[in-house]
Amino acid sequence: ILNVEQSPQSLHVQEGDSTNFTCSFPSSNFYALHWYRWETAKSPEALFVMTLNGDEKKKGRISATLNTKEGYSYLYIKGSQPEDSATYLCAGTGGFKTIFGAGTRLFVKA
Amino acid sequence: DGGITQSPKYLFRKEGQNVTLSCEQNLNHDAMYWYRQDPGQGLRLIYYSQIVNDFQKGDIAEGYSVSREKKESFPLTVTSAQKNPTAFYLCASSPSEYHWDEQFFGPGTRLTVL
Repeated sequence: ILNVEQSPQSLHVQEGDSTNFTCSFPSSNFYALHWYRWETAKSPEALFVMTLNGDEKKKGRISATLNTKEGYSYLYIKGSQPEDSATYLCAGTGGFKTIFGAGTRLFVKA
Repeated sequence: DGGITQSPKYLFRKEGQNVTLSCEQNLNHDAMYWYRQDPGQGLRLIYYSQIVNDFQKGDIAEGYSVSREKKESFPLTVTSAQKNPTAFYLCASSPSEYHWDEQFFGPGTRLTVL
């Protein structure tokens, strides 16, 4: 895994909106994909780790999917709340390395 | 309360000085990591250690040094050889030595070189 790209860089939504963002990674030599949530003034916290093509994980209103053949993962937030405001990091592991993307900064306005 | 602590939260250094950032974990994790974050970039790996008394260079190890004399401690020294040390530094640990394992992060240290 050489590079992990996240888009968009930032996102502003209204409370109640559903939203999604993308993590792209080279599909060769892939082993695992991680999503972390990083709230301001706190430590990053793990949301999901996925390894299999077609994996879907869910935690409350947040879910994620993984496509290892085309090299992308989507993170979905249903009915965004102000407390969802954070930076969402993805990290790809392959070839004994873990590479982090630059993150998507989500702002949810009440 | 199990977790990872980093100290200090903010650190100021004069050019030419070495400085050591502390990282301690009481999670009994095998592996520990040091990352650097610069604006607009992802976390970049400086050093990692999968076991006591062993550590490996990451992608940007030049100008940094580490030690792992105890399982719970992984201090990072930023030396005067590091040309652009002003950044946010994050320490992390994971339960096993496998790179795909979930990582647990500390609160970070912001280093500013004056």
